[in-house]
Amino acid sequence: GQQVMQIPQYQHVQEGEDFTTYCNSSTTLSNIQWYKQRPGGHPVFLIQLVKSGEVKKQKRLTFQFGEAKKNSSLHITATQTTDVGTYFCAKIQGAQKLVFGQGTRLTINP
Amino acid sequence: DAGVTQSPTHLIKTRGQQVTLRCSPKSGHDTVSWYQQALGQGPQFIFQYYEEEERQRGNFPDRFSGHQFPNYSSELNVNALLLGDSALYLCASSLVQQNNEQFFGPGTRLTVL
Repeated sequence: GQQVMQIPQYQHVQEGEDFTTYCNSSTTLSNIQWYKQRPGGHPVFLIQLVKSGEVKKQKRLTFQFGEAKKNSSLHITATQTTDVGTYFCAKIQGAQKLVFGQGTRLTINP
Repeated sequence: DAGVTQSPTHLIKTRGQQVTLRCSPKSGHDTVSWYQQALGQGPQFIFQYYEEEERQRGNFPDRFSGHQFPNYSSELNVNALLLGDSALYLCASSLVQQNNEQFFGPGTRLTVL
């Protein structure tokens, strides 16, 4: 099927280091959403990107949508222990059907 | 304003049994989607309900069925349980007119022995 590929699968950093996860699609995306799932929790919506080349910031989090709308990234500056969790990108297929990437699991050494 | 609620939180069944999971959407939302999340994987779309009808369906067998009630709450039924059905089942609610964020419930952890 038409999936979104997410890399890396795992990332371990020292607290204070930066973190980036990437999401790629073989087809043009109408939009891309990002979710965070804490250990033992459920996915929580972070942001939706719609426009080509769009960049949005939420405090230490920066989200980008590629010019060709085939890739996206999430960058966290100066990670904190509260950033621990799995970050998923997801595309919308049809009417509100989310197709998730495999996720990037972030662990942090305090 | 309550968010999305799901019951039960945990469930243990044996192979061949049937299970019913329940979801109440966020207040004001009219669309409910169900996802299956295996350990270490991203959520997989099962189906979506709007106006008490199945609107979209993912690649899941007919053993998976659902229902939406007039108050927008929803049920997910799984018949003839298999070991591979063990997963976290997530319910997400949204408004049909808005193609933006979906609100997920805490999930039901199903273990099939």
